[in-house]
Amino acid sequence: GENVEQHPSTLSVQEGDSAVIKCTYSDSASNYFPWYKQELGKRPQLIIDIRSNVGEKKDQRIAVTLNKTAKHFSLHITETQPEDSAVYFCAASKDQAGTALIFGKGTTLSVSS
Amino acid sequence: GAGVSQSPRYKVAKRGQDVALRCDPISGHVSLFWYQQALGQGPEFLTYFQNEAQLDKSGLPSDRFFAERPEGSVSTLKIQRTQQEDSAVYLCASSLAGGNTIYFGEGSWLTVV
Repeated sequence: GENVEQHPSTLSVQEGDSAVIKCTYSDSASNYFPWYKQELGKRPQLIIDIRSNVGEKKDQRIAVTLNKTAKHFSLHITETQPEDSAVYFCAASKDQAGTALIFGKGTTLSVSS
Repeated sequence: GAGVSQSPRYKVAKRGQDVALRCDPISGHVSLFWYQQALGQGPEFLTYFQNEAQLDKSGLPSDRFFAERPEGSVSTLKIQRTQQEDSAVYLCASSLAGGNTIYFGEGSWLTVV
């Protein structure tokens, strides 16, 4: 089955810096890769996702890149703000209804002002 | 409803006690998932329903865990004879038929003492 590795486990940046979180996956059949943000005690919330027919997707300060050959994908946050502080999870699955997402172990991002 | 609703939000159970956790998915969402999230970890898949049919229960850790969705809407996750290692947040998520963007509830925090 699918296995998702995520690193780093913790990341501390200064406000305004960029943050990059990387994930690798094992199942070459996976082709849907979402990223979730989870604040303490809250639900995971989808912030961006990418499917394997594209290599990069951007939404304001957030971007995700995908390298299917190498089986890795990354989250990039530019101009970080203190409210970006949270735990970020990557996940992977096949792009079909009802397929369970397999999550990485998470990255705790701390943005200090 | 506007989002996935779970109850109770917090549950303290004595070891050996049975517990039942409820999930009310987003109206019209065919797919329903249960995940277990231990402290400091990513969500781990437990089971999946499409309408009332439980199509995948490969993630249930033992036969003490049982889930049902008898009318294809509300789902209940039942844990019998709880043990300390069952302490975790139990997340419910739902998605539309034909899509795999899933939306999480706030979770039920279970502590077994």
